[in-house]
Amino acid sequence: EVQLVESGGGLVQPGSPLKLSCAASGFTFSSNWLNWIRQAPGKGLEWVASINPDGSSTYYPDTVKGRFVVSKDNAKNTGYLQMNNLRSEDTAMYYCEIPGYNFDYWGQGVMVTVSS
Amino acid sequence: DIQMTQSPPSLSASLGDKVTITCQASQNINKYIAWYQQKPGKAPRLLIRYTSTLESGTPSRFSGSGSGRDYSFSISNVESEDIASYYCLQYVNLNTFGAGTKLELK
Repeated sequence: EVQLVESGGGLVQPGSPLKLSCAASGFTFSSNWLNWIRQAPGKGLEWVASINPDGSSTYYPDTVKGRFVVSKDNAKNTGYLQMNNLRSEDTAMYYCEIPGYNFDYWGQGVMVTVSS
Repeated sequence: DIQMTQSPPSLSASLGDKVTITCQASQNINKYIAWYQQKPGKAPRLLIRYTSTLESGTPSRFSGSGSGRDYSFSISNVESEDIASYYCLQYVNLNTFGAGTKLELK
């Protein structure tokens, strides 16, 4: 059974760091890209990071570039999103996604709230 | 960066209606558009990729078409289980989602 389980969310103060994890099972994690997508409360979907299968290339939109770092540990079947210098506008549900040739897996999401 | 203009923001339909959502890209995206369905409190679900390829498990009442900058997504014979929000996504150059369309029952 395929599972993606995000963890690491919570309430943090502006300017703080936070690291999210995405634990994968039931498929070959090392062969696939990993995306992080977020959704602010009551708002639409926003792509925030991508990493290629072997972890050698990463991509970000301008809104998080320089603050967020995506990584993956294929030995542990786990992906990560290190978020630095968090802002109130980063408050959102964060999802990890594994897009495949004939599948598309999503986690249940983890909530991040940035507030003083 | 590629921008995706999705319309309408909301849609009201009766059961059995056909509804259509459009997305216009700021440049040619060569059919690299996907469509997602999201129900409240749930993760999005991929319905269609590469303009018109239905994912396994996507009912045939869902369809997609388009080329160049202009794309559309349709649901024929709307059913109650289709009440959700729908998003387009371009993936030819990084990723950009449309703003979403909320489908409600009339």
